[in-house]
Amino acid sequence: EDQVTQSPEALRLQEGESSSLNCSYTVSGLRGLFWYRQDPGKGPEFLFTLYSAGEEKEKERLKATLTKKESFLHITAPKPEDSATYLCAGGYSGGSNYKLTFGKGTLLTVNP
Amino acid sequence: EAQVTQNPRYLITVTGKKLTVTCSQNMNHEYMSWYRQDPGLGLRQIYYSMNVEVTDKGDVPEGYKVSRKEKRNFPLILESPSPNQTSLYFCASSLRGGSLRRGNEKLFFGSGTQLSVL
Repeated sequence: EDQVTQSPEALRLQEGESSSLNCSYTVSGLRGLFWYRQDPGKGPEFLFTLYSAGEEKEKERLKATLTKKESFLHITAPKPEDSATYLCAGGYSGGSNYKLTFGKGTLLTVNP
Repeated sequence: EAQVTQNPRYLITVTGKKLTVTCSQNMNHEYMSWYRQDPGLGLRQIYYSMNVEVTDKGDVPEGYKVSRKEKRNFPLILESPSPNQTSLYFCASSLRGGSLRRGNEKLFFGSGTQLSVL
């Protein structure tokens, strides 16, 4: 069964305090690992796609990495505007079908 | 502007009254999907469509119907809504689903439809 698990469920940081969010995933059938940001009451906004172990991508204070079993979203020197729910999702392909399975998310709060 | 448009944004209805939530995308995407989001449960896939006239069940399809008669539209139909279908619903689309060409699976989401079934 496809499964994506995120931790922690919630994370509270002080402005400038770097940290990482974790996403573990089922390997079988994975076509890509996605990170999204979601603000309250809005649709998820795409951040990154990772395809191979060892791959890294960066955007401003965010850096996503991928290993054979996990992905990490590193947040360097966060600012209050980085506060949001961060979602990890695995794209799984089976035959002619394709499903994107989301983790439950990590609620990040950055205090000034 | 490239976008996924859902309507309505908010909907309050009563048990058993059929309703349709519309979803339209203007990016010529092949793949479209519906999700529901509930506190503590995250985003769960209801139905998806790999292309016109091709739909399949996601993880929580019970009580929902979809159709894909045109490439741009993917309506979600609740034939007889019940209170347990009260949720925040999102439509999403991507150029391809599971394509070998990287980058084509990036999902674009609509703004959501908050549904309350009384």
